[in-house]
Amino acid sequence: DAGITQSPRHKVTETGTPVTLRCHQTENHRYMYWYRQDPGHGLRLIHYSYGVKDTDKGEVSDGYSVSRSKTEDFLLTLESATSSQTSVYFCAISEDPRSEQYFGPGTRLTVT
Amino acid sequence: EDQVTQSPEALRLQEGESSSLNCSYTVSGLRGLFWYRQDPGKGPEFLFTLYSAGEEKEKERLKATLTKKESFLHITAPKPEDSATYLCAHAGGSNYKLTFGKGTLLTVNP
Repeated sequence: DAGITQSPRHKVTETGTPVTLRCHQTENHRYMYWYRQDPGHGLRLIHYSYGVKDTDKGEVSDGYSVSRSKTEDFLLTLESATSSQTSVYFCAISEDPRSEQYFGPGTRLTVT
Repeated sequence: EDQVTQSPEALRLQEGESSSLNCSYTVSGLRGLFWYRQDPGKGPEFLFTLYSAGEEKEKERLKATLTKKESFLHITAPKPEDSATYLCAHAGGSNYKLTFGKGTLLTVNP
């Protein structure tokens, strides 16, 4: 299995609070991605990174920000969580954009 | 807008009953078609990548094929442990971003 960990694995938070999810990899892959998965929708890309300090928006980036200060870590921040951000969040990594992506175990976030 | 449609949404098979899952896509410039398996409560697990029409790949009881507009995941003599949600995704455009389908929930009964 690709060395990808996500923390926390579960979190319950209140509307309006900031939340940061962490993705850590041990594969030294250049590309890292954040997705959300909701019933009735496929996995949807939030943000991705193509190198340290290099990030770009995905399909559903509103309300989210990311940072990557080290190759191995990619952080997803919800500045002010809303109930619509209740979801399962997955991190993924790939060597290059044409290669397969490997996914982490996910973080289940509930915003009350 | 790039779209990926998977069918059926759910499929129930008896052990040993072969079948196929479909993934159709509309994309401006296919860069790759990916199949994943997802078990409940876990992240997607990579299965196959297909890059050009006519290409086929196999792994145990699974075989993936690709045409210009769709891909099939054929399951031969499935076992209960093949039960999972199967996702397909295509990489399109200049930045190779993946667009995922909603998945097919496969249940194999013993």
